[in-house]
Amino acid sequence: DGGITQSPKYLFRKEGQNVTLSCEQNLNHDAMYWYRQDPGQGLRLIYYSQIVNDFQKGDIAEGYSVSREKKESFPLTVTSAQKNPTAFYLCASSGDNYGYTFGSGTRLTVV
Amino acid sequence: SQKIEQNSEALNIQEGKTATLTCNYTNYSPAYLQWYRQDPGRGPVFLLLIRENEKEKRKERLKVTFDTTLKQSLFHITASQPADSATYLCALESGGYQKVTFGTGTKLQVIP
Repeated sequence: DGGITQSPKYLFRKEGQNVTLSCEQNLNHDAMYWYRQDPGQGLRLIYYSQIVNDFQKGDIAEGYSVSREKKESFPLTVTSAQKNPTAFYLCASSGDNYGYTFGSGTRLTVV
Repeated sequence: SQKIEQNSEALNIQEGKTATLTCNYTNYSPAYLQWYRQDPGRGPVFLLLIRENEKEKRKERLKVTFDTTLKQSLFHITASQPADSATYLCALESGGYQKVTFGTGTKLQVIP
């Protein structure tokens, strides 16, 4: 079945550590996105990529970095510069029908 | 500034009734609007897309309307069932290739 796979499902980060969240899709979609979701808030866009080797900052890119070396993969690194990283992170992709397909999310907690 | 408003209060309705959720927006001129369903701890699931030149779209028990004059979309679930209980998000096209901005969602509880 086609879809998006995010891993890990749960991730614990120590203060000052960088961590990388994985996102892989087999839908042959060109566009991919990373969102952050906090309780009581909507999904906020971190980064998005419309094509391989190109990506743009979203509304809350500070403290995050991404790469898009392959069409299928769009990993997100949460750096130590991100002061409040505890959140639910969602990866999505979109194709010709414009609807987003989301992964099942990674819950990141700072310990 | 741009704003998307969905009723932050939970909506409780009786099974079998029609649920109506509202999405209002300001300072947007979206080419299309989408609705998603999100269950706790899961990613949103795409339900419907309606374009600016469409007044209404239907899919099974779901109906979406889009009024660009009122800057409002209504999302209806007819003959609601307890399995329809979830949070429903609207998302507006916000410039850039297939880029959308999401509302905060409305939690729907269908009571048996």
